[in-house]
Amino acid sequence: QEQLQQWGAGLLKPSETLSLTCADYRGSFADFYWAWIRQSPGKGLEWIGDINHTGSTNYKPSLKSRVTMSVDTSERQISLKLTSVTAADTALYYCARVLTDGSGTYYNIVYWGQGTLVTVSS
Amino acid sequence: QSVLTQPPSVSEAPGQRVTISCSGSGLNAAYWYQQLPGKSPKLLIYFDDLKPSGVSDRFSGSRSGTSASLAISGLQSEDEGDYYCATWDDTLNGPVFGGGTKLTVL
Repeated sequence: QEQLQQWGAGLLKPSETLSLTCADYRGSFADFYWAWIRQSPGKGLEWIGDINHTGSTNYKPSLKSRVTMSVDTSERQISLKLTSVTAADTALYYCARVLTDGSGTYYNIVYWGQGTLVTVSS
Repeated sequence: QSVLTQPPSVSEAPGQRVTISCSGSGLNAAYWYQQLPGKSPKLLIYFDDLKPSGVSDRFSGSRSGTSASLAISGLQSEDEGDYYCATWDDTLNGPVFGGGTKLTVL
């Protein structure tokens, strides 16, 4: 079984809401944060935000108005919602397990999920 | 938000050594990620020069001020891929990534 399993809709129309879920089946759930990171086709990596087991979130400022992350500790699942998507949101979205103190002293993205390709097209 | 600059590409022959640079005014502790073709990124180096267990000794990292480097010795064809540096950004309150460097083993 993969350490991180991701799923969600891969094709959206402009203005719809992106919704992805990630399940983390390994380790102590309370020891980690989970980040969502995206990679546009042929481009680099962009951090979207992160969440810990208490539900404490941290979002990239430029996306904050459209992003919601949530956690379900009983199911060991982390979810991402991004509203009002446009073509610019077309990307491969990764869920990643992070070791961090929450303040940036360290931020080790220790494991990346397999990625979910999300395409926004009318 | 910090900007990390990496060379778009580097190339070297098998068995040789190559270095990939990463620079930026906001660079503090450097992290390096390897992304092999069609694969998800993988943590190679953290805290400038530390390696997670399982990462080959052929990989090493260093930092001097606001410039960091990833060195790969004894190049192998399976090292071909993209390499990204990252650092914490206080303005972002999250990590920022360099643009990535494509490594070609000739």
